[in-house]
Amino acid sequence: AQSVTQLGSHVSVSEGALVLLRCNYSSSVPPYLFWYVQYPNQGLQLLLKYTTGATLVKGINGFEAEFKKSETSFHLTKPSAHMSDAAEYFCAVRESDGGSQGNLIFGKGTKLSVKP
Amino acid sequence: DSGVTQTPKHLITATGQRVTLRCSPRSGDLSVYWYQQSLDQGLQFLIQYYNGEERAKGNILERFSAQQFPDLHSELNLSSLELGDSALYFCASSVSGWTAAAYNEQFFGPGTRLTVL
Repeated sequence: AQSVTQLGSHVSVSEGALVLLRCNYSSSVPPYLFWYVQYPNQGLQLLLKYTTGATLVKGINGFEAEFKKSETSFHLTKPSAHMSDAAEYFCAVRESDGGSQGNLIFGKGTKLSVKP
Repeated sequence: DSGVTQTPKHLITATGQRVTLRCSPRSGDLSVYWYQQSLDQGLQFLIQYYNGEERAKGNILERFSAQQFPDLHSELNLSSLELGDSALYFCASSVSGWTAAAYNEQFFGPGTRLTVL
């Protein structure tokens, strides 16, 4: 069965600093991986996804993530944090066990705070 | 705005009661997924429907049930409610589900916050 581990439930950075949110996955088949963002009192919005092909994936709002099979990682980065990036971020892997129809398995989430 | 609507936004009820949460998928989307987000369990997949039929089940309690109607909207029914059922319930929709050839992105609604007192 697939699983996702996000290291660090809270990450705090200064405005303009590098953002690095860590995600490791477990999957017995080639994974489809996702990062979602949840702003306060809102639903989840897809930031980026990796399915096949290029391992460096660019998403919205300047975020990108790199799929590293050897490290079973899919860390999310942004070169320069902005105050508006403060939110909770979820890493997810697509369920691929028998009978699955594409539902997602989420990590516990990482809350990002951005200090002025 | 994802195009997925959920009603109501907030629901406060008592233990032992039954509630119904409603979801309208994006226009053209045939799949509806239900997820539960709670502080202790995080985001968990509950159940998926595709074009009116149940397609996949996750960690859904027997007290919970769902259905998808001919107009493709979906309802999640929660009965014999317990304090631990207090959570944010999300609905997501996608064009289909998953095939070996492609993945269809899931679009999430704003959620229904359920409080059981």
